[in-house]
Order: sequence, then C-alpha cells, then structure tokens
Amino acid sequence: DTEVTQTPKHLVMGMTNKKSLKCEQHMGHRAMYWYKQKAKKPPELMFVYSYEKLSINESVPSRFSPECPNSSLLNLHLHALQPEDSALYLCASSQRANPEAFFGQGTRLTVV
Amino acid sequence: GEDVEQSLFLSVREGDSSVINCTYTDSSSTYLYWYKQEPGAGLQLLTYIFSNMDMKQDQRLTVLLNKKDKHLSLRIADTQTGDSAIYFCAESMRGGYNKLIFGAGTRLAVHP
Repeated sequence: DTEVTQTPKHLVMGMTNKKSLKCEQHMGHRAMYWYKQKAKKPPELMFVYSYEKLSINESVPSRFSPECPNSSLLNLHLHALQPEDSALYLCASSQRANPEAFFGQGTRLTVV
Repeated sequence: GEDVEQSLFLSVREGDSSVINCTYTDSSSTYLYWYKQEPGAGLQLLTYIFSNMDMKQDQRLTVLLNKKDKHLSLRIADTQTGDSAIYFCAESMRGGYNKLIFGAGTRLAVHP
C-alpha cells in the first residue's frame, strides 16, 4: 500500500472562512510534507514534519497552520486566505532516509 | 543554488520512444526523480536514481544520469496514449528529509 489520502478533493472557501485540509497515510512513514502547486507550475514545499514535529517551514504565511496530531495524520488549517492562495495542495510522505516520497491526489482549493 | 530546468513540451507518435531531458545545478543532489502528473491529479513517482549511478532501467523506463554535465533524462519506450501527462524532474538534497526541488515540468503529448 503506497497510498496517501487527502480530503476533501475540492474546497471553495471565502476569505473570512476557516477550513482544514486533511492527509492520511498508513505506510508507517515518519516524514510528512505539504506542497503547494499553482496552475501550470511545479509543486513548492511548504512544510515538513518529522516524527510529528515541524522540521521545516519554508517561510509560509501564518494564515496557513500545519498540524501533525499523530504519525499517520497531517492537517493544514486555513484562515483568512487570499484569492492568490487558490492552488492544488499536495500532501506527501516518506520514510526518513528513504528516497521514495509518495504524494496524495491533492486538494484543489479555490478562495473567493 | 538549487535550480532544475526542463523543456516544456514534447510531442511523439504512439509506439515511438520519448526522451525527456532535465538539467540541474546543485552538485550536492543526492537523488534525482521523475514524477508523472495527469490532469487534475497528484504526483506519481515513476522512478529515481541515486547520484552515484549513471543508469537505471525499470520496464519501459530508462533513466540516464550524466553527473559531469548535471543532465538527467527519462526515456519511455513504446510510448502509449496513456503516457500523455506532465513529467517533473526533481532533485533532493542529502539529509533525512525528501525536500524535493522540481523542474517546471515537460508536457508529453502522444498522438496516433
């Protein structure tokens, strides 16, 4: 099983809303990632969690708040987003020191 | 610095071989990857190569790495219409996390 599951698949939210994206994997991976992919662009790293602790924050605005409640789950809490935050948000996981990183299908977020 | 470059578009006839090229600038890259992304979907890991290797073959896929020229290529033999997608080259640095730096992606169009 190399599956990373993201919910919801699509999300439309207003600029004053609070919403959360969820990511789940059951491969026993201890590193989990959030990437952002704008239309017609490559994915860009946002956050890395290792053993449930935030290890890398790529200078992401505070309106994006990650959370890793346990080794299988990764959340991204969204608050007061801007229309330019509309993108495909991808979750990935890997075993530390293992080169294989597996991605979910993404959540397509539209901010109106 | 980290920079990965790819040509943006490739068109091939069904049954022919496709060769997608990539150049990278960081000589400390540990692993180099090829991911496939179909429209509206997440990223599928196709293959990866360790930086001290020069070739890796996996069924229809052949990866060639020229470390001196920092050039990576992906050859798809007997290209099928189902291979139509965007192909991303990516590199990761030495360390415990798979912080992936992606190229812009090459759109492969397969026609009859």
